[in-house]
Amino acid sequence: AQKVTQAQTEISVVEKEDVTLDCVYETRDTTYYLFWYKQPPSGELVFLIRRNSFDEQNEISGRYSWNFQKSTSSFNFTITASQVVDSAVYFCALSEARTGANSKLTFGKGITLSVRP
Amino acid sequence: EAGVTQSPTHLIKTRGQQVTLRCSPISGHTSVYWYQQALGLGLQFLLWYDEGEERNRGNFPPRFSGRQFPNYSSELNVNALELEDSALYLCASRLGSGGFTDTQYFGPGTRLTVL
Repeated sequence: AQKVTQAQTEISVVEKEDVTLDCVYETRDTTYYLFWYKQPPSGELVFLIRRNSFDEQNEISGRYSWNFQKSTSSFNFTITASQVVDSAVYFCALSEARTGANSKLTFGKGITLSVRP
Repeated sequence: EAGVTQSPTHLIKTRGQQVTLRCSPISGHTSVYWYQQALGLGLQFLLWYDEGEERNRGNFPPRFSGRQFPNYSSELNVNALELEDSALYLCASRLGSGGFTDTQYFGPGTRLTVL
């Protein structure tokens, strides 16, 4: 069965600090996608990134970067020089390819990030 | 381009009542998903509709049901409301059902409170 673990529940940093949010996943599928979503206090989930199981290249987008390592089943997310606007709950999610299961996202419990001025 | 929209924003019901939540997908998206985000339980998959058909459902009782209309909008119905149904209900849409590669984009959610 697919599972996503976000062991960190709450992280608090001071503005301009770098912060890494951890995500560990479990799947029996060889083809799958991993996602990160951001949920600000308004409640809407905002899509940040999607990575497929065959592409282990790290990705950088502005202050955000993602490190995907199949060997450790991890897909970690780093925010560089954090800002107050980064305060939100961050979810890691997994989608499998196998028929019938490819229809849903399995989410981790989320990490609440607080960035203090 | 408009994103996923949901209505109403907030809803207060009492135990035993029935409720209908609505979702309009992004234009061109044919798949609609419903998720429940209850306090302490995280985000859980409820239902998936595509091309008017229910394709998959999560581990929820039959009193959770829904449908998808020809314009791809969707309704989620919850009958015989219970206190533990209090949650944020999120709708997401996806471009197509041909594969799992498309990203799900979420709406703002409907906050349901059951008293």
